[in-house]
Amino acid sequence: QKEVEQNSGPLSVPEGAIASLNCTYSDRGSQSFFWYRQYSGKSPELIMFIYSNGDKEDGRFTAQLNKASQYVSLLIRDSQPSDSATYLCAVTNDYKLSFGAGTTVTVRA
Amino acid sequence: EPEVTQTPSHQVTQMGQEVILRCVPISNHLYFYWYRQILGQKVEFLVSFYNNEISEKSEIFDDQFSVERPDGSNFTLKIRSTKLEDSAMYFCASNRAVVEETQYFGPGTRLLVL
Repeated sequence: QKEVEQNSGPLSVPEGAIASLNCTYSDRGSQSFFWYRQYSGKSPELIMFIYSNGDKEDGRFTAQLNKASQYVSLLIRDSQPSDSATYLCAVTNDYKLSFGAGTTVTVRA
Repeated sequence: EPEVTQTPSHQVTQMGQEVILRCVPISNHLYFYWYRQILGQKVEFLVSFYNNEISEKSEIFDDQFSVERPDGSNFTLKIRSTKLEDSAMYFCASNRAVVEETQYFGPGTRLLVL
């Protein structure tokens, strides 16, 4: 069974701090890796994608991929109250996205 | 910016009834997907569709489910005889290619089966 596991939450961080989210996946054939943000009752919204080993930065977000360890992470720097949401790690192999259960982040003002 | 749209936003139906959920993918996208999310649970893949045929489906996507692209813009999910456990949020998604291509999600249809 292809599994995507995320660190259990909820994660509470003060405004301006760094939020660190982790994800591991079981299928070594996974090709692409995504972080989505989901607000309650809404659809997943893409934050970042990463395809190659290493780091990728986009504004306040940094994704890191280590295929040997089957590990993906997301750092949110200078966390804002608007970053409070559930963050979903997703991986693809062939056609479908396999999602983790999500980590809920609360940024305290 | 182009978006995936879905209708209706909410649907309430009686157990055993048929429902059709509609999606309009982004216009230049070629691959279409349905996912569902039961309240409090993770997003689950149902089916992918390309070139007018199913390319992959999950164990959830049994004979009660079907998909169709009836014209050049719509993509539908039909549940033939709804069960209580079909109550969920259903998301449509699309992308241009399979490899290294982000799937963009619609706003979802909340289905409640009574």
